[in-house]
Amino acid sequence: GAVVSQHPSWVICKSGTSVKIECRSLDFQATTMFWYRQFPKQSLMLMATSNEGSKATYEQGVEKDKFLINHASLTLSTLTVTSAHPEDSSFYICSARDPDRDEQFFGPGTRLTVL
Amino acid sequence: GQQLNQSPQSMFIQEGEDVSMNCTSSSIFNTWLWYKQDPGEGPVLLIALYKAGELTSNGRLTAQFGITRKDSFLNISASIPSDVGIYFCAGQLRSSNTGKLIFGQGTTLQVKP
Repeated sequence: GAVVSQHPSWVICKSGTSVKIECRSLDFQATTMFWYRQFPKQSLMLMATSNEGSKATYEQGVEKDKFLINHASLTLSTLTVTSAHPEDSSFYICSARDPDRDEQFFGPGTRLTVL
Repeated sequence: GQQLNQSPQSMFIQEGEDVSMNCTSSSIFNTWLWYKQDPGEGPVLLIALYKAGELTSNGRLTAQFGITRKDSFLNISASIPSDVGIYFCAGQLRSSNTGKLIFGQGTTLQVKP
């Protein structure tokens, strides 16, 4: 199956700092990537849809100025959590859509802990 | 927002037993997907369903796309300890052209050897 990677796999940062998470599709080109957030014992909640070469589409209630998304190439999308606070601590998961197979493949997730 | 109602929330079964879980929605979906998530990892696709009434198997797993397009179930037969994890249903709305998925709340499965 297709492979989607995320980096870093975990990160601990101080409150007020910014953290960048990368999502890469390794063996296909993804015009669309998705960013999810998952709190403990909860489901995946879609944060935004990342479109290559255009602005991301954010879900209701997600602050676009706080969660900056850049999809500069067909294999890379980045999520930057700006001025992180403890309540931003969560498991962030990306997925990439392979248009040829019309299927989404999920990354392994990034555990963010804000102290 | 759109929601998928997934049940049961959790199950604790004996190894060898069969398991069934389902998802329902008030909206019509084009695609139903079933994922398994292990702790600290991303979801892995188990079964994808694309047509109403479709019944698909993947080893000991069987899933069906409801005739009304508003529900789906997943069955696991003869459970084994490695089936432990969280199972999520996900659907793609008929009105969506972006591939956006909506996830159910998840079913946590525990298997006693």
